[in-house]
Parts: sequence; structure tokens; C-alpha cells
Amino acid sequence: DGGITQSPKYLFRKEGQNVTLSCEQNLNHDAMYWYRQDPGQGLRLIYYSQIVNDFQKGDIAEGYSVSREKKESFPLTVTSAQKNPTAFYLCASSGGLAGTDTQYFGPGTRLTVL
Amino acid sequence: GQNIDQPTEMTATEGAIVQINCTYQTSGFNGLFWYQQHAGEAPTFLSYNVLDGLEEKGRFSSFLSRSKGYSYLLLKELQMKDSASYLCAVRAHRTGGSYIPTFGRGTSLIVHP
Repeated sequence: DGGITQSPKYLFRKEGQNVTLSCEQNLNHDAMYWYRQDPGQGLRLIYYSQIVNDFQKGDIAEGYSVSREKKESFPLTVTSAQKNPTAFYLCASSGGLAGTDTQYFGPGTRLTVL
Repeated sequence: GQNIDQPTEMTATEGAIVQINCTYQTSGFNGLFWYQQHAGEAPTFLSYNVLDGLEEKGRFSSFLSRSKGYSYLLLKELQMKDSASYLCAVRAHRTGGSYIPTFGRGTSLIVHP
């Protein structure tokens, strides 16, 4: 089946540790995105990539890093510099020219920093 | 930047009709999306409007007025399973030539018997 997978679904880390969230898609989409969602908030854009080996900062990139070495994969690292890392993280992808088609979302990873 | 506004919470009765409004202010508008999100799950795509008018898809319809910066999502024959958060997302031109949707805070819809 085609889709987007994120793992793990729940993740616990100690304060001060870096953690990497996985996102894989087999939809052959060029564009991929990372969003963060906090309770009562909408989705806020962290990073996005429109093509392999290229990515751009979103609205809240501080304390995060990404890589896009393969079309299928767009991992997100939450570094110790991120002040409030506990949140629900959603990965998305989209096709079309410059990724202008509808975004499709993975199931999300809920990160809790203790 | 963009400013997207939608009500925080709405309640409705099973079988009824509900309209969820979304207003926005942006430059370089390139489409508006509605997503449904159940608690703890990923958003799922409901509708897309780029031209003015009404798009109907089963029990759900979405309307757009670009001149007024206004959209609504209309849900008919409400079912209990429609209890969810509804996200309005506006796609607009960003610096660098990309078009990325910006999401509102979402409207939590509670459907009661």
C-alpha cells in the first residue's frame, strides 16, 4: 500500500538528548514537510523539502535539523537546543509541480521529553 | 505573513447541519484546504478550493470567496463520528517561490445525540 509512515508512534527522551524522528513515503512525492502540533494549536511548519538534497526552514526551525538524502525519507532531529520539544510531530508529503498538490500526512509521533 | 481565524469549538446535534467558518488574510493566495483530524491521529484531506464557489462532496461541502478572504465547511446529516477537529489551511506564495499551506488552529466539533 502507498502511504507515509512515521516511527515510533510514542517516544520518550530525557532532557538534553537529541532524538531523531523517522518519516518515510512510497508515494513518489517530491515534497515533504514536518509540522509540530501543540494542544489547542494548529500545525506549525518546522522544515520542508521540495526536492532531494534541498530543504528550507519553516516558521519554527530553531532547535531542529533535517536531511533529505533520499526521495523517500525526511528524518527530523530534535536537538537539545529546542526549548519545548514535547509535542505531536506530523510528517507530510505532496506531489505535483513544486509539491503543490494536496498534502498527505503520516500517523504522527508523540514526543515526550522528561 | 498569514492570519487564519476559525472558531475554537462548536457543538451540534446528530442529524443536523453545521457550518464551520474560516477567514484569512494573505498575499499570493493559491488555494484553501479543509482537513479533518480525530484526536491523536493525522489530519485527513476533506476538500480543496482555489476558485470562488461551492464544492460538494457527499455530506461535506466547502465554499470559498477570495475577495472576502472567507471559506466555510458545511457538514450535513451529522453523525457521531464527525466529532473531530477541522483544520482550515491556506496555501500562499512564500519567499523563494514555494507554495506551502499555513494552518489555522482548528475548530473542535462536538456532535451529541
